[in-house]
Amino acid sequence: DTEVTQTPKHLVMGMTNKKSLKCEQHMGHRAMYWYKQKAKKPPELMFVYSYEKLSINESVPSRFSPECPNSSLLNLHLHALQPEDSALYLCASSQGGAGQFFGPGTRLTVL
Amino acid sequence: GEDVEQSLFLSVREGDSSVINCTYTDSSSTYLYWYKQEPGAGLQLLTYIFSNMDMKQDQRLTVLLNKKDKHLSLRIADTQTGDSAIYFCAAVTKDSNYQLIWGAGTKLIIKP
Repeated sequence: DTEVTQTPKHLVMGMTNKKSLKCEQHMGHRAMYWYKQKAKKPPELMFVYSYEKLSINESVPSRFSPECPNSSLLNLHLHALQPEDSALYLCASSQGGAGQFFGPGTRLTVL
Repeated sequence: GEDVEQSLFLSVREGDSSVINCTYTDSSSTYLYWYKQEPGAGLQLLTYIFSNMDMKQDQRLTVLLNKKDKHLSLRIADTQTGDSAIYFCAAVTKDSNYQLIWGAGTKLIIKP
């Protein structure tokens, strides 16, 4: 299985809602990532988990809260988001230098 | 720190070869990658090259690495309409702990 899956594909939420994005991989990769991508721009790194521990937080606002329940799963909990947080949220996983494998993303719209 | 640059657009005729170029600044870059992103989709890892290699070929894709000039290229032979996408170059360095440093992306436009 060489796939990273993400749910949901699309999400529309109000600024007072709480929602979660989910990511799963079964490649045995020990590093997992959350990225935010605006249209036609490269992805911006948000969080890195290495061996289920948060190793990098790129100064992301606290309204984004990551969680790694086990080595295959990665969640991103969303609360009190702003319209400027609307973007494509991508999950990726990797093992060593052979590249990061990305999921299809969740298209988030904050109203 | 590392800086990765690409031109923003490339237009080629269907059936011709496409060559997408990328330059980087950090000579300690260890791995260099090419990703493809089609509209509305995630990022697909196309290929990568380790810094001790000069060339890598995989079917229609050829990657060339010139370490002296810090220049990376991706050649797509017999370009098809399905190759229309944004292509991102990315690098990792000794100090980046496998974090990717991204170029801005090159939009490949295919003319019939």
